[in-house]
Amino acid sequence: KAGVTQTPRYLIKTRGQQVTLSCSPISGHRSVSWYQQTPGQGLQFLFEYFSETQRNKGNFPGRFSGRQFSNSRSEMNVSTLELGDSALYLCASNYGGGTDTQYFGPGTRLTVL
Amino acid sequence: GQQVMQIPQYQHVQEGEDFTTYCNSSTTLSNIQWYKQRPGGHPVFLIQLVKSGEVKKQKRLTFQFGEAKKNSSLHITATQTTDVGTYFCAGSPGYALNFGKGTSLLVTP
Repeated sequence: KAGVTQTPRYLIKTRGQQVTLSCSPISGHRSVSWYQQTPGQGLQFLFEYFSETQRNKGNFPGRFSGRQFSNSRSEMNVSTLELGDSALYLCASNYGGGTDTQYFGPGTRLTVL
Repeated sequence: GQQVMQIPQYQHVQEGEDFTTYCNSSTTLSNIQWYKQRPGGHPVFLIQLVKSGEVKKQKRLTFQFGEAKKNSSLHITATQTTDVGTYFCAGSPGYALNFGKGTSLLVTP
């Protein structure tokens, strides 16, 4: 099976702009979770989607949003970008969500100038 | 909220030395998972522990889950340069995974 794919792999944006990141899970996986990884904070959970519904949400401002489509593909959007949003954004998929093993994609490296 | 604390943050060893990273939770965990992220890569699942006091081995890696299901450890015997990377634990009280900040291991030959 193909692994989790994320596009684009790299992005450079300026403050105030918005960005949309895409994640395609492993075939058959219905849960997609998003994480922000920064050197100082490690892996921080953003949200999880299962069957097109947001099931869990981390402690991030409303500028961070997401959605999931009927084919389980997911998008994450960040509006009004701030310098502190520069990070590696990882998505992970699994069958049942929750505490199941996470299969991570390669990530999108976002740089905000 | 529930947090998973991981120590040390960094560890630098000589090849052949042992290495241990520890994971502690403020609440009882239903399970704990360990992941490894190579430099420039993404986290890759290593193992899951579910039972109180459980010990599992993968070649030179030994994983333990505490009796109270609030702590866990990963021990690597006789490190090799291929062990370089960041090791994350991820614990769950039952509904979502919380990742520790990871321990970055550097192994010099």
